[in-house]
Amino acid sequence: SAVISQKPSRDICQRGTSLTIQCQVDSQVTMMFWYRQQPGQSLTLIATANQGSEATYESGFVIDKFPISRPNLTFSTLTVSNMSPEDSSIYLCSGGQGQGETQYFGPGTRLLVL
Amino acid sequence: TQLLEQSPQFLSIQEGENLTVYCNSSSVFSSLQWYRQEPGEGPVLLVTVVTGGEVKKLKRLTFQFGDARKDSSLHITAAQPGDTGLYLCAGVREPTNSNSGYALNFGKGTSLLVTP
Repeated sequence: SAVISQKPSRDICQRGTSLTIQCQVDSQVTMMFWYRQQPGQSLTLIATANQGSEATYESGFVIDKFPISRPNLTFSTLTVSNMSPEDSSIYLCSGGQGQGETQYFGPGTRLLVL
Repeated sequence: TQLLEQSPQFLSIQEGENLTVYCNSSSVFSSLQWYRQEPGEGPVLLVTVVTGGEVKKLKRLTFQFGDARKDSSLHITAAQPGDTGLYLCAGVREPTNSNSGYALNFGKGTSLLVTP
């Protein structure tokens, strides 16, 4: 199993600013992902964080808005850039070893943009 | 995009009742997972179903994968207040390239409330 922690757990930010969310896994994982979730709703995949190379983004998400880093097999960051109120959401990271393997989720970062 | 439709979206029942949540797609998935999420936490995996027609049981929870691997159901017997939460089905997506990984396509979720 893997335990995933995220920092910060929540934040309130002003529009136009940027916030970097950190995701730490207690063991090495092959895959790491970033999702967005509106409270009480489902999760939408933002991107796959790839170690040592550029992240793979889903349709509707771009690197300039959501730059992602993954310097090693246990750590990744997601930056929400030039924030607007529409970016208010819960951001979750997950990690797993691949197909058929459990994907473990962090507790999420609750972001409110004013 | 492989879409997953979940129903019902909301369900409020009394303790001891039975319920079924459905997850349907027009696409075939190599495997499908069910998660449960409580407020303030990330989703936690309940089960993975892989084979068409497969049935898995987890105490009072019964999961079934359709023969064609396009749909799944979750049945809870004698629901308890501790079952309250958001139930999510997720299709495991095949990588589109070497960097996309086995990401998950989530359904919209079923919010379950079990009252004493």
